[in-house]
Amino acid sequence: AQRVTQPEKLLSVFKGAPVELKCNYSYSGSPELFWYVQYSRQRLQLLLRHISRESIKGFTADLNKGETSFHLKKPFAQEEDSAMYYCALRRTSGQGAQKLVFGQGTRLTINP
Amino acid sequence: KAGVTQTPRYLIKTRGQQVTLSCSPISGHRSVSWYQQTPGQGLQFLFEYFSETQRNKGNFPGRFSGRQFSNSRSEMNVSTLELGDSALYLCASSLAGRGLGLAGTKDTQYFGPGTRLTVL
Repeated sequence: AQRVTQPEKLLSVFKGAPVELKCNYSYSGSPELFWYVQYSRQRLQLLLRHISRESIKGFTADLNKGETSFHLKKPFAQEEDSAMYYCALRRTSGQGAQKLVFGQGTRLTINP
Repeated sequence: KAGVTQTPRYLIKTRGQQVTLSCSPISGHRSVSWYQQTPGQGLQFLFEYFSETQRNKGNFPGRFSGRQFSNSRSEMNVSTLELGDSALYLCASSLAGRGLGLAGTKDTQYFGPGTRLTVL
């Protein structure tokens, strides 16, 4: 069974400080990993996916298969980054490819 | 392109009743997935439909069911409502090709705003 763990429910940092949101997963196969974000009063939206290897809004995430982690990082936090962040996993083979398994989420607050 | 829409946005029901929620995917999207979001359990997958067929199912009781129409619109139904069914129900659509693994690497799920169901 797949599982996604986000160990921090709440994370608070000051503006300009580095941010790291942790995500660990368990899955026996080769997963696809995502970070979704939900800003206040907005719908859940994709922030980035590991396969794209891109930086979105200054955020990056690297898949570490050895440590089964997919931590989200940003070198300098901005107030508009305050939101709920979810790490999610999707299988890349077999049936159920569209099933996302989400972590419990981390609420990130950026203090001015 | 219009985003995923869900109706109604808010719903209040009493225990024992049944409810039907609706989801209209982005035009051209053929896959619709449903998720339940609660403070305690977080986001949990309910089921996915593609071309009017249920392709995947989560670990929910049979009271939760769904269907998809030929225009890809989807409905989910919950019968004999319980207090614990109070939640935000999210729908997500994606292009999702048919077949094992073809949904894969370039597909993205786009979420709707959700339907907030309160069971009294």
